[in-house]
Amino acid sequence: DAKTTQPPSMDCAEGRAANLPCNHSTISGNEYVYWYRQIHSQGPQYIIHGLKNNETNEMASLIITEDRKSSTLILPHATLRDTAVYYCIVKISGATNKLIFGTGTLLAVQP
Amino acid sequence: DAGVIQSPRHEVTEMGQEVTLRCKPISGHNSLFWYRQTMMRGLELLIYFNNNVPIDDSGMPEDRFSAKMPNASFSTLKIQPSEPRDSAVYFCASRQGPSSGNTIYFGEGSWLTVV
Repeated sequence: DAKTTQPPSMDCAEGRAANLPCNHSTISGNEYVYWYRQIHSQGPQYIIHGLKNNETNEMASLIITEDRKSSTLILPHATLRDTAVYYCIVKISGATNKLIFGTGTLLAVQP
Repeated sequence: DAGVIQSPRHEVTEMGQEVTLRCKPISGHNSLFWYRQTMMRGLELLIYFNNNVPIDDSGMPEDRFSAKMPNASFSTLKIQPSEPRDSAVYFCASRQGPSSGNTIYFGEGSWLTVV
């Protein structure tokens, strides 16, 4: 599975959009980009995933560059409850079941 | 939906004792995962099962660790004998078949302290 690079930490003001970047320059054509987050003292939570098209759901939007070497997770209106570690993971969907977590980005939403 | 249920939520035990962590996956899910999280090593995959069969246990740290899945609704992770370095949060997670993509749902974790 391709490796990802994320900044260790970011700050965001409450109510503003949080844009979390992820680099995955070695991603293969059949690898998806997944985002999970982990709020303190809780298990990781699925947010969104995509292959090459931009995706949006009730939690967030995922923007994948045309060359697929990087992506951005967007939380449109961050709240204090969005403070968490956000993990970007790339893997082949369905081929194996393993999700390998990196170190993620600690997003701190400030009041 | 009750989600993935783990027990106990918290356990403190003495070195050398046997520890058994339990997991009930989401009904209808056919893949189950055990992860361990520590400050030093982050989230590590220990083992996963497909249709109750262990597929990959390469992450199990040593012979003191064992995992079983006797049926589709129950799994255990056992540590015998336990050591202080086993102190961690142990997460169980489950996933439906390939048709649902690769969304894995995690439990709230079992917080283990070995003294």
